[in-house]
Amino acid sequence: GESVGLHLPTLSVQEGDNSIINCAYSNSASDYFIWYKQESGKGPQFIIDIRSNMDKRQGQRVTVLLNKTVKHLSLQIAATQPGDSAVYFCAEILNAGNMLTFGGGTRLMVKP
Amino acid sequence: NAGVTQTPKFQVLKTGQSMTLQCAQDMNHNSMYWYRQDPGMGLRLIYYSASEGTTDKGEVPNGYNVSRLNKREFSLRLESAAPSQTSVYFCASRGGTTGANVLTFGAGSRLTVL
Repeated sequence: GESVGLHLPTLSVQEGDNSIINCAYSNSASDYFIWYKQESGKGPQFIIDIRSNMDKRQGQRVTVLLNKTVKHLSLQIAATQPGDSAVYFCAEILNAGNMLTFGGGTRLMVKP
Repeated sequence: NAGVTQTPKFQVLKTGQSMTLQCAQDMNHNSMYWYRQDPGMGLRLIYYSASEGTTDKGEVPNGYNVSRLNKREFSLRLESAAPSQTSVYFCASRGGTTGANVLTFGAGSRLTVL
């Protein structure tokens, strides 16, 4: 079936550098995407979302980019901090429904 | 404002035993969900309840039952636990006037089946 996936399972960056976490999706009908952050032993926490009629959305230190042509989603974290170390999941929703499909996750490790 | 509360946080069962995971939300959300997360994996939807009185199967419903007790509470039951059900279970809810598509998750319930 169609699913959301991630290119890199582990990303290691230096503190202060920018991080880019990528996600590929295959369902062209998906109309809403969300990035979640999951710290060890905790539930996923919402970071930022984007609708399919947008190509960019910015939050505090985070930016999500959506390229519908190649079905690609990315999360950019500016000036990465040790507290950003976590597993990041992208997720998609189809037709504003209840089936939120998660990708496999990327672990971000921030080196001091 | 507690958000989504799950109990218990940890549980060890023997194969064949039954148990119920409890979930409650205080955000007046209409929709509630149960996911499982296996080591190094993403979350997979077990069951969801779009509104009080309704439940639907997700991606991996076999071996589980759910009850939407009222708007606040959504429980997940394992009638006869199997080692393959060893996982971390997350409850989530969705709704409200802002961020209506965003799920809010509980802290998780870690279940080990021996």
